[in-house]
Amino acid sequence: DQQVKQNSPSLSVQEGRISILNCDYTNSMFDYFLWYKKYPAEGPTFLISISSIKDKNEDGRFTVFLNKSAKHLSLHIVPSQPGDSAVYFCAATYNTNAGKSTFGDGTTLTVKP
Amino acid sequence: DTAVSQTPKYLVTQMGNDKSIKCEQNLGHDTMYWYKQDSKKFLKIMFSYNNKELIINETVPNRFSPKSPDKAHLNLHINSLELGDSAVYFCASSQDGGVGSPLHFGNGTRLTVT
Repeated sequence: DQQVKQNSPSLSVQEGRISILNCDYTNSMFDYFLWYKKYPAEGPTFLISISSIKDKNEDGRFTVFLNKSAKHLSLHIVPSQPGDSAVYFCAATYNTNAGKSTFGDGTTLTVKP
Repeated sequence: DTAVSQTPKYLVTQMGNDKSIKCEQNLGHDTMYWYKQDSKKFLKIMFSYNNKELIINETVPNRFSPKSPDKAHLNLHINSLELGDSAVYFCASSQDGGVGSPLHFGNGTRLTVT
């Protein structure tokens, strides 16, 4: 039962353009969402998060949008840089679940110079 | 200064052996986790400890036994290793295990069972 899905295994964009990574979820109990970035041979690192009471959260070049009715969130990176090339994981959790995060299977972003 | 460190980085062993993976965090966090990343790249939670107390125990074979001697350490012991145990195991910590506390991951241990 895959409750968090990232339907695009990979994405390639040109440096300076926008990268949009998508994530869908099925469990309506999820009320907090996080994005992690992972470089090869390293662990995931936290990037940005959003609570279900908001529909947008911005941090520098990174913005996360949440559409609760569609059970969909997206991560926008503007402008994209070659150093952003990594695997991006979407994760979801809810308050009564002891902070357990359910992860998607990741999207590999390649930013071409 | 490594925040979450796990050893070893690579572990190659034969079926039937027993092995351990160690994890330490110097962030002062209360909650630690073990996640498994399988061949399909999904990260799935196995265990979570809060201040040395087990709070999450997913459907994991009882050959896997976590041990937390103190809140800065969470080790994973695996008995009678099987081929299907081959995966990357990530240790993580979070400040209080609450929904708003992001996870801080170690760099993973790649376990290969032959």
